[in-house]
Amino acid sequence: SQQGEEDPQALSIQEGENATMNCSYKTSINNLQWYRQNSGRGLVHLILIRSNEREKHSGRLRVTLDTSKKSSSLLITASRAADTASYFCATRGSGAGSYQLTFGKGTKLSVIP
Amino acid sequence: NAGVTQTPKFQVLKTGQSMTLQCAQDMNHNSMYWYRQDPGMGLRLIYYSASEGTTDKGEVPNGYNVSRLNKREFSLRLESAAPSQTSVYFCASSVDQLGEQYFGPGTRLTVT
Repeated sequence: SQQGEEDPQALSIQEGENATMNCSYKTSINNLQWYRQNSGRGLVHLILIRSNEREKHSGRLRVTLDTSKKSSSLLITASRAADTASYFCATRGSGAGSYQLTFGKGTKLSVIP
Repeated sequence: NAGVTQTPKFQVLKTGQSMTLQCAQDMNHNSMYWYRQDPGMGLRLIYYSASEGTTDKGEVPNGYNVSRLNKREFSLRLESAAPSQTSVYFCASSVDQLGEQYFGPGTRLTVT
């Protein structure tokens, strides 16, 4: 079963605009990760945020985590055409034996030049 | 440093045929994983190996077997392929079960 659910399913923006994607999940987590997948390629890890962290930055990426609402958001600032890809959130369970990474269905981002 | 490599890149099978998908990583990672990705879906875990010598079922293990041959290699076998196994298969590895995963380029499998 997929725990993470991304919203929206698809997003189309102009180059230079900011893109925000959201992820909701159901059970307690050890960490939450965001991945990018370009068409026809494997996934690339973007950022990992632990359950005791609230915000994390990496270049033009900003991730927030609200464990009380069981939600996370990924913000891409000043988007570029090269950011066009699908973005997935993935949650890592917190209990022993539940360390599998569970992926959502993804948000398909299109950045129009 | 090649990262995670997978072979083959593409494969077409007839129903009932068998095949093995190969995966290797050169990052000295302990944990390795096999996922499948179907259109419009996220990745679903088939099997994983937390460390050399161990394998465990994931969310969708039926119809598959795995072998952790050594620390570097983790293979996925389809004993009797079915059309429902048409998918893109990804192998991944991580330092441990909690860390970020590194993915291979995928194998696109079609079963007719």
